[in-house]
Amino acid sequence: AQTVTQSQPEMSVQEAETVTLSCTYDTSENNYYLFWYKQPPSRQMILVIRQEAYKQQNATENRFSVNFQKAAKSFSLKISDSQLGDTAMYFCAFMKHTGTASKLTFGTGTRLQVTL
Amino acid sequence: DTAVSQTPKYLVTQMGNDKSIKCEQNLGHDTMYWYKQDSKKFLKIMFSYNNKELIINETVPNRFSPKSPDKAHLNLHINSLELGDSAVYFCASSQDFRTSGGAEGTDTQYFGPGTRLTVL
Repeated sequence: AQTVTQSQPEMSVQEAETVTLSCTYDTSENNYYLFWYKQPPSRQMILVIRQEAYKQQNATENRFSVNFQKAAKSFSLKISDSQLGDTAMYFCAFMKHTGTASKLTFGTGTRLQVTL
Repeated sequence: DTAVSQTPKYLVTQMGNDKSIKCEQNLGHDTMYWYKQDSKKFLKIMFSYNNKELIINETVPNRFSPKSPDKAHLNLHINSLELGDSAVYFCASSQDFRTSGGAEGTDTQYFGPGTRLTVL
């Protein structure tokens, strides 16, 4: 079974600064997918970024980028130029295809507070 | 133009009651899911349906019965509600990775707004 670990329950960053959220995972699979989802106070789960394990290049989405280290099973999220609207819970998630199924295994989340 | 919608958004009920949560997606996806988020914010999959067929059942008590009348809808019925059922329930949908032609990212799961269930 896969496990996903987020070792930082809470983090704080000042507006316009950069912050990195950590995520490690454990799997014996070679083909899989990694995600970061954001959950603001509105409760909605919003996709932030996706990474395919077969890709060496790190995914980027505007101010969001990842540092994917496959051998180390590490998948950190970097948020540049932090904005107040980035305040949210951030969940790292692992997905693999098994037969006809795809399921997400989530970490416990990191609560990020962006301050003035 | 809501992609994945759930009703109701809030549900407060007494122990022992039976309740349903409805989910609909207009993304044309083949696969739908139910996740439970507990009071510590931990998210765990409960069920997955592919084209109306149950694919994943993660050892959920049989008081929980999902029903998929068509591939755009996945409802969750809960019998004999217990205090421990209080949680936020999320519906999600994605394209079936087997039929997406391998197009990148098409199996990404998109979530509904969640239903907060409170059992008193």
